[in-house]
Amino acid sequence: GESVGLHLPTLSVQEGDNSIINCAYSNSASDYFIWYKQESGKGPQFIIDIRSNMDKRQGQRVTVLLNKTVKHLSLQIAATQPGDSAVYFCAERPGGYNKLIFGAGTRLAVHP
Amino acid sequence: EAQVTQNPRYLITVTGKKLTVTCSQNMNHEYMSWYRQDPGLGLRQIYYSMNVEVTDKGDVPEGYKVSRKEKRNFPLILESPSPNQTSLYFCASSFQDRAGYTFGSGTRLTVV
Repeated sequence: GESVGLHLPTLSVQEGDNSIINCAYSNSASDYFIWYKQESGKGPQFIIDIRSNMDKRQGQRVTVLLNKTVKHLSLQIAATQPGDSAVYFCAERPGGYNKLIFGAGTRLAVHP
Repeated sequence: EAQVTQNPRYLITVTGKKLTVTCSQNMNHEYMSWYRQDPGLGLRQIYYSMNVEVTDKGDVPEGYKVSRKEKRNFPLILESPSPNQTSLYFCASSFQDRAGYTFGSGTRLTVV
């Protein structure tokens, strides 16, 4: 598959445990924050987004938390499954700009 | 199936030989964009287009051209490829008011 990063931080979890992936962002004026999942050989896949005027949003098995005070974003995955193994990227959209700024990514490894 | 289609998936070429990577989406998205992904540098925006005949530079536009003659297509043109353009390229699209992009599967380009 395609290599997305040689020295990414890795989070190793047991199947069935909850995972928390963290991200620090840079731009206080960003209006959207998004989490993407990238599996080997594939393009980034949208997971969930959150607007800057919210602090929590839930999806199916995922929750995104936004702490604007410390410019921190986290993705929580409940009951992690082997299919969740991938590289996870956070991204921010600077207000007024049509672009996404991506973080470096975190590799999630799920062990049986 | 709603998707972003890139071609080719893999390409090896020689320095200076013009090439085009095609991108097509079937979701009637106004916004399209090209990113490159490099180890340690993450995803960086090359060019984007807000709609037909409207394009603008991203963060790393040098050595690339784009065109948006039709809403569904957004080709990436390398007039004179160089080895530093060896990378994994992704096309993405979205509706104008949405932050979450749909990405293609990627094009692995090697310039020798």
